[in-house]
Amino acid sequence: AQSVTQLGSHVSVSEGALVLLRCNYSSSVPPYLFWYVQYPNQGLQLLLKYTSAATLVKGINGFEAEFKKSETSFHLTKPSAHMSDAAEYFCAVSVRKGLAGNQFYFGTGTSLTVIP
Amino acid sequence: EAQVTQNPRYLITVTGKKLTVTCSQNMNHEYMSWYRQDPGLGLRQIYYSMNVEVTDKGDVPEGYKVSRKEKRNFPLILESPSPNQTSLYFCASSLSGRLIGETQYFGPGTRLLVL
Repeated sequence: AQSVTQLGSHVSVSEGALVLLRCNYSSSVPPYLFWYVQYPNQGLQLLLKYTSAATLVKGINGFEAEFKKSETSFHLTKPSAHMSDAAEYFCAVSVRKGLAGNQFYFGTGTSLTVIP
Repeated sequence: EAQVTQNPRYLITVTGKKLTVTCSQNMNHEYMSWYRQDPGLGLRQIYYSMNVEVTDKGDVPEGYKVSRKEKRNFPLILESPSPNQTSLYFCASSLSGRLIGETQYFGPGTRLLVL
């Protein structure tokens, strides 16, 4: 079975501090992992994705994530938080279900607050 | 502009009154999907469609119907809404649904309240 666990439903950081949002996955097949961001009253926007190329993936707005197979993790980081980073972040795994195509499984989300 | 649109954005209805939420994409995508988002539960897939006239259940299909008569449209139908279907709904699309690591593009969401 496939699943995604996001540790910490709420994370607060000071402006300029490191952002670390945790994501662990469970997958019986090679996973394809995504981070999406949701700003208030908006839909989800892709931040970055891992598709078995480089294990360190760089995304938009200075975010990056590292795929660690041994730890089944795909944590999202940003060296210096900005006020505009305040949003809800979702980790997701995509698996191929044969002829049925890709199915996405989302984590429960982490709300990031940035303190001035 | 490439986008996924949903209508309405906000809807208040009463138990048992049939409703339809429309979803349309202008990217010629084959794959479309509906999710509901609930606090503490993240996004859960309701139904998805690999192409016209091809639909399949996701993780939480009970109480919902979909149809895919045209490639660009994928409406979500609640035949007899109940309060437990109060939620935020997202439509999404992707190119084919078969390519490895394919990105999904999301609509802005529809907030539904069933009284």
